[in-house]
Amino acid sequence: DVKVTQSSRYLVKRTGEKVFLECVQDMDHENMFWYRQDPGLGLRLIYFSYDVKMKEKGDIPEGYSVSREKKERFSLILESASTNQTSMYLCASSLEQGAGGETQYFGPGTRLLVL
Amino acid sequence: GQNIDQPTEMTATEGAIVQINCTYQTSGFNGLFWYQQHAGEAPTFLSYNVLDGLEEKGRFSSFLSRSKGYSYLLLKELQMKDSASYLCAVRDLRGSYIPTFGRGTSLIVHP
Repeated sequence: DVKVTQSSRYLVKRTGEKVFLECVQDMDHENMFWYRQDPGLGLRLIYFSYDVKMKEKGDIPEGYSVSREKKERFSLILESASTNQTSMYLCASSLEQGAGGETQYFGPGTRLLVL
Repeated sequence: GQNIDQPTEMTATEGAIVQINCTYQTSGFNGLFWYQQHAGEAPTFLSYNVLDGLEEKGRFSSFLSRSKGYSYLLLKELQMKDSASYLCAVRDLRGSYIPTFGRGTSLIVHP
C-alpha cells in the first residue's frame, strides 16, 4: 500500500512566521504535489515536482515555495504566513505518467490556522 | 484552461441509487478521475476513465462521454458510509499527469 504522510495534522502559526509543511511518500513515486483545499473552492494546485530538485508552479503559487532534495520528501514553505493562507493543505504523489500510475495518492492533510 | 462543473450538494436515501454529474471544458482531454473524500480525511481514488463508456466497480460505476464533455459517477445500493464528498478531476495536455479538480459534490445519505 502506498503511504503518504504529512508532518502535522493541525498547525497554528502567527502572521509573519515561516512555516514548513513536510510530506513523505514511501513508494518511490516520481511526482509529488501540494494542494490547498478551501470550502467552495475545491482542491487547488500550489506546486508540483516531477523529479528531485525539480519544481513547477501550479495555479496558485504566490506566497509559497517548495523544496525537493530527496525523492521521497516534498516540502511546502510559507515564507511569511498570512491569514489568507489558513487552509487545509494536502500532499499527493503519483508514478510517472506512462507507467500505469495515473492515480494520485493523498496524505491525510495538514489543517493550518494563521492568526 | 479548464472549467469543471459538478453539483455542490446532493441527498439520497439509504439503499437507493444516486448519479453525480460532472461536466468539463478542456483544450486537450487526457483522462477523468473520480475521488471520494470523507470529512477530515484524504481523497481516495475511485475510478479513471479515458475512453467513452461505462466502467463498473462493484457498487460504483463511472461513465464518460468525451464528445459531450460529460461524466457521471453512479452509486448503487447506497450505504450511510457513502456520505462523503465526490471529486471530479480532469487531466489535460498541460503536463499529462496533473488533473484539475472540480469543487466537489457533497453527498448526504439519510436512513
